[in-house]
Amino acid sequence: ILNVEQSPQSLHVQEGDSTNFTCSFPSSNFYALHWYRWETAKSPEALFVMTLNGDEKKKGRISATLNTKEGYSYLYIKGSQPEDSATYLCAFKRYGGATNKLIFGTGTLLAVQP
Amino acid sequence: SAVISQKPSRDICQRGTSLTIQCQVDSQVTMMFWYRQQPGQSLTLIATANQGSEATYESGFVIDKFPISRPNLTFSTLTVSNMSPEDSSIYLCSVEAGDTYEQYFGPGTRLTVT
Repeated sequence: ILNVEQSPQSLHVQEGDSTNFTCSFPSSNFYALHWYRWETAKSPEALFVMTLNGDEKKKGRISATLNTKEGYSYLYIKGSQPEDSATYLCAFKRYGGATNKLIFGTGTLLAVQP
Repeated sequence: SAVISQKPSRDICQRGTSLTIQCQVDSQVTMMFWYRQQPGQSLTLIATANQGSEATYESGFVIDKFPISRPNLTFSTLTVSNMSPEDSSIYLCSVEAGDTYEQYFGPGTRLTVT
């Protein structure tokens, strides 16, 4: 059974706070790790695709790191803004299998208070 | 990137009826994916739809319950048949970009079965 775990389940922060979330995934047969940002009634927005151990990626105030040997990724948001409020999903893709299947965690719900 | 639209955006249906969800992509893609998210659960892959061949279903999903059509490279439909309240979910279609590993999602169809 392939499990992707995300923590915390939800997070309430004040505007200007920095925050981070964790995604844990199986460390064997790693292929890629995806991060998405999902606002209600909108399409999940692709943030990062990470493939190499030690990868660090940045997009504005959001950055992510990847450790494939121990099976975790961190997502950081610097200086949170109300518009960052959304559910942040990570998804794991492994080698093998007949499809390019993404295995998702349940997400971290972020609420940023002005 | 790919722009994906889905119809309907939401629906409330009676148990025992069927609903067909449409997915349109603004470019030609080989594989399209159908996911669902039940309340409080992870996004879960239902099936992969290739143009010109039968869809490939994940464990726990069957063609009689979730028939899929893929008539061309920009369009697919998913039917949720003989619905029960357990089928209340958000259904999303997705496509994969060629060589960038990225997977793009539609805005989803929010289905409530009463």
